[in-house]
Formats: sequence, structure tokens, C-alpha cells
Amino acid sequence: AQRVTQPEKLLSVFKGAPVELKCNYSYSGSPELFWYVQYSRQRLQLLLRHISRESIKGFTADLNKGETSFHLKKPFAQEEDSAMYYCALPALNRDDKIIFGKGTRLHILP
Amino acid sequence: GAVVSQHPSWVICKSGTSVKIECRSLDFQATTMFWYRQFPKQSLMLMATSNEGSKATYEQGVEKDKFLINHASLTLSTLTVTSAHPEDSSFYICSARAGGGPWNEQFFGPGTRLTVL
Repeated sequence: AQRVTQPEKLLSVFKGAPVELKCNYSYSGSPELFWYVQYSRQRLQLLLRHISRESIKGFTADLNKGETSFHLKKPFAQEEDSAMYYCALPALNRDDKIIFGKGTRLHILP
Repeated sequence: GAVVSQHPSWVICKSGTSVKIECRSLDFQATTMFWYRQFPKQSLMLMATSNEGSKATYEQGVEKDKFLINHASLTLSTLTVTSAHPEDSSFYICSARAGGGPWNEQFFGPGTRLTVL
């Protein structure tokens, strides 16, 4: 079965320090993975997807099939990065259904 | 572009009453709309998927008679929580997707907080 695991509920990082939000997945086949972000009092929005290979707001994520991971990284944290981050993937045989991880709250310390 | 709105943003109701939540795609036609439920400090759980003009597809464990979904047009879907009870208190989020294809981005509404007394 497809599953997304985000092992950290809360991650506190000092401003300017590197950030890595962990995501591991289980999936049969080649998954497309996503990171969604929810800033305080705002709606959930797509941050990036691995297939586009783009960097959004300085964040990148590389799909590692060997480790079944899709960790989200940013070299230098900014205060405005504080938010809830969800790793997600589509359900098998149902590409309209998204399965979300439990989320990691990123707290940037001044 | 691609804005999804929800109304109301929060609602308080008495146990046993029914509550309707609207989800609208403001600047695009949504062939598919989704309803999620989010408990405090937990992830989003998909409740049902609705396509315009057809019956909603409910996820396992979601009572279709309890959570009535209507997708009357390409820009509007409604979720009615019937005979609400305190355990139905939650944050309900809708999302909308334009078009079909292998995968198209879902755009999320701001959510509706339901509190049942």
C-alpha cells in the first residue's frame, strides 16, 4: 500500500541554518511526489513536485528511489519559512487522490 | 488564478442539526472536487471525491448518508453534515481540480471549522 512517512512532528531550526524535512514513502512503481505547505492561517498550497525539478522559495527535494525518500531541503532558513509541511503522493491507480503524510511543523528560530 | 473559496469559514451548531458547507472554484471550472477532513494536529484525510453531475465517491469508513455531497455545477460543490454530533467537529477542507489527465494540481480552499455543541 502507498504510504508517506514524515518522522518529525516538529522541527526547530535557527534562522540561516540549513533545513531538511524528512519524507519516506512506500509505493509500487515510480511515484510522483509532492511537498505541500500551509502557512499560518493560510490554505494548503503546492510547494513543489519532483517531476518538475524546480526550486521554489529556495527549497529543493530530490527523489531517492534507493532510500525511498523525498526529503525537502533549504540551505539557509528564513523566518517566513515557518509553516506546516506535508509530503504527499498520488494513490496507486487513482491519480486524482492524494495521500498526505502527517506533516512536519517547521519553526524557524530568530 | 485558481482560487477556491469555502463558505462559511466557521460554523457552530447544535447537536442534531444539519450544516451545509459550500466550495466554489472562482476562476476555473472544476471537473473534480474533493472533500477532506483534518483533525487537530493531524493530516488531511480524504472523505470523498465528486465529479460534476455524478454521485460522489466516498472513501472507506466515511458514511455517505452522514456526509452528503452535491456537485451541482463545475464551480460549486456542497458538503452537508447531517444530524451533526460533537464528534463531527473538525476542520473541513475542499479542493478543486481543473481538467483530467495524468495528474493535475489540486487547489485548496481555506477550510471550514465546524464545532458541534
